Amino acid sequence: AQKITQTQPGMFVQEKEAVTLDCTYDTSDPSYGLFWYKQPSSGEMIFLIYQGSYDQQNATEGRYSLNFQKARKSANLVISASQLGDSAMYFCAMRDTTSGTYKYIFGTGTRLKVLA
Amino acid sequence: NAGVMQNPRHLVRRRGQEARLRCSPMKGHSHVYWYRQLPEEGLKFMVYLQKENIIDESGMPKERFSAEFPKEGPSILRIQQVVRGDSAAYFCASSHARPDGSEAFFGQGTRLTVV
Repeated sequence: AQKITQTQPGMFVQEKEAVTLDCTYDTSDPSYGLFWYKQPSSGEMIFLIYQGSYDQQNATEGRYSLNFQKARKSANLVISASQLGDSAMYFCAMRDTTSGTYKYIFGTGTRLKVLA
Repeated sequence: NAGVMQNPRHLVRRRGQEARLRCSPMKGHSHVYWYRQLPEEGLKFMVYLQKENIIDESGMPKERFSAEFPKEGPSILRIQQVVRGDSAAYFCASSHARPDGSEAFFGQGTRLTVV
């Protein structure tokens, strides 16, 4: 079965500094997608970034980048130049393709607090 | 630019009542997913539906919970005879049909409180 692991329940970062949120995954399928979502205190889920298993380059979206290390099965999110508005829960997710149902499975999340 | 629409945003039910949660997917999306989130926890998969079909309900409790996505109208998550443990945020997401590259877009969620 596929699995997503986020080992950091909480992280602190100083404003304007970079922070890395860890995510490891487990799958036997050669084809999969990895995603990061942000959940601010207001509760909505905001899509941040996507990495396909066959993508040669690490994905980037503005201040977000995904450090994809396929051999280590890790897909860490890097947020550069942290802002106070980045304080939120962050979830790593993978799209399940082994069973053919394509559901998304989520990690337990990391709560990021940006300090002024 | 209508995203995934969920209603109601907040729902209060007494124990034993029924809760009906609605989700309209983004235009052009044929796949709908329901997730449950308890406070300070991640999202737990419940069910995945396409129009008129349940594709994967491996995360649904065996009793009291049901879901549908009719040919016309929104997807409905129905909880019968609610208990206090059903209190949670329920999120609906939708995506395109193609695998891997399609991110799921989420609704604002329905916060169910059972009193």
